[in-house]
Amino acid sequence: DIQMTQSPSSLSASVGDRVTITCRASQSISNYLNWYQQKPGKAPKLLIYAASGVQSGVPSRFSGSGSGTDFTLTISSLQPEDFAIYYCQQSYSGRTFGQGTKLEI
Amino acid sequence: EVQLVESGGGLIQPGRSLRLSCSASGFSFGDYGLSWVRQAPGKGLEWVGLIRPTFYGGTTEHAASVKDRFIISRDDSKGIVYLQMNSLETEDTAVYYCTRERPHYGDNVFDHWGQGTLVAVSS
Repeated sequence: DIQMTQSPSSLSASVGDRVTITCRASQSISNYLNWYQQKPGKAPKLLIYAASGVQSGVPSRFSGSGSGTDFTLTISSLQPEDFAIYYCQQSYSGRTFGQGTKLEI
Repeated sequence: EVQLVESGGGLIQPGRSLRLSCSASGFSFGDYGLSWVRQAPGKGLEWVGLIRPTFYGGTTEHAASVKDRFIISRDDSKGIVYLQMNSLETEDTAVYYCTRERPHYGDNVFDHWGQGTLVAVSS
């Protein structure tokens, strides 16, 4: 099974900061990597697909990059509504989520 | 508008069975794969399993943690996907989400999610 490891597990930041979250796969997954945002009590929301595609309706401050085993999610200028938990997910073989990164004020 | 609505959750004793349903609308149901994803209280997301579109044979895959206990099926005529959960364990306590899978050049993306249904396994 493919394991997904996110870092950091938690992150404190301020409004206006640039933030980067990393996701590493235990083997190459090409670009079959997606990012989701989850707020308390809500279902996750798709942000980024195929490593770098921005889902329709997602603000342009969100971007993704990477291929193979190493991927990043970047938020260019944090807004108050961005404080949430972020998950990466691979679909190269089965489906696996990372453990999540909690972004706190 | 794409909508996914889960139902069937509740309190159930260990060892018993429960069937969750996910009713879909707003898209051509038979053309899409669907996955179930769960989230234990205070924990992260865990993929449970998927069922492919009918034109791919409607085949299924399951996570190792539920294989041989959970079965996913679909009824394209009703637009419903099911999760049959057998031999339930306390560790299966979670909110269960139904998700639509959108294919993108080999990648499969969970682009729409239901609101989730809570399954609590306890004696």
